[in-house]
Amino acid sequence: NAGVTQTPKFRVLKTGQSMTLLCAQDMNHEYMYWYRQDPGMGLRLIHYSVGEGTTAKGEVPDGYNVSRLKKQNFLLGLESAAPSQTSVYFCASSKPGQFGSEQYFGPGTRLTVT
Amino acid sequence: AQSVTQPDIHITVSEGASLELRCNYSYGATPYLFWYVQSPGQGLQLLLKYFSGDTLVQGIKGFEAEFKRSQSSFNLRKPSVHWSDAAEYFCAVGNFNKFYFGSGTKLNVKP
Repeated sequence: NAGVTQTPKFRVLKTGQSMTLLCAQDMNHEYMYWYRQDPGMGLRLIHYSVGEGTTAKGEVPDGYNVSRLKKQNFLLGLESAAPSQTSVYFCASSKPGQFGSEQYFGPGTRLTVT
Repeated sequence: AQSVTQPDIHITVSEGASLELRCNYSYGATPYLFWYVQSPGQGLQLLLKYFSGDTLVQGIKGFEAEFKRSQSSFNLRKPSVHWSDAAEYFCAVGNFNKFYFGSGTKLNVKP
């Protein structure tokens, strides 16, 4: 049981380049999330998904797109990277529950945009 | 508006001393509260959570937290800190499918 995995672990992009971050979970969780973590700001929600084929905007969605074509995968795309997108990106998943549910986090992807 | 405030950015305690990390929240509905821990270079791991019932909740690694509705607080405590507790701690509030995190408190442990 790998839990939540993220690919790649590190990446350096030049301004204007594009890339996709892959998140995979093997816990059959319905909900998946993408966060970014910046010093002194905690985690901020970028986009989330409550099921296969559905996505929704979070707190800081601008400059990012997502897709959830398969239940176990949640992709985060940057179409034209900017230095402001330098951050550590975390994926998480959870199963729906009546009172909310704990999230399981991946190890993170460190992205630098130069 | 929903928000979580962790007023202490850094805290240093001696090994064996007690610890309290503060968390205050603002949330429009019934809050579901969480504490997570993040070791360097790692993802976040759940320490404990509060949904309802007893306002004092026990978590892993000897941590506990107390929910005080009147103060909108959910402070994390540990009676005796170990060197391995050095990490960053995040408080979060959420419901169903959206969660809001505090900015974190970095804990240093002196030998």
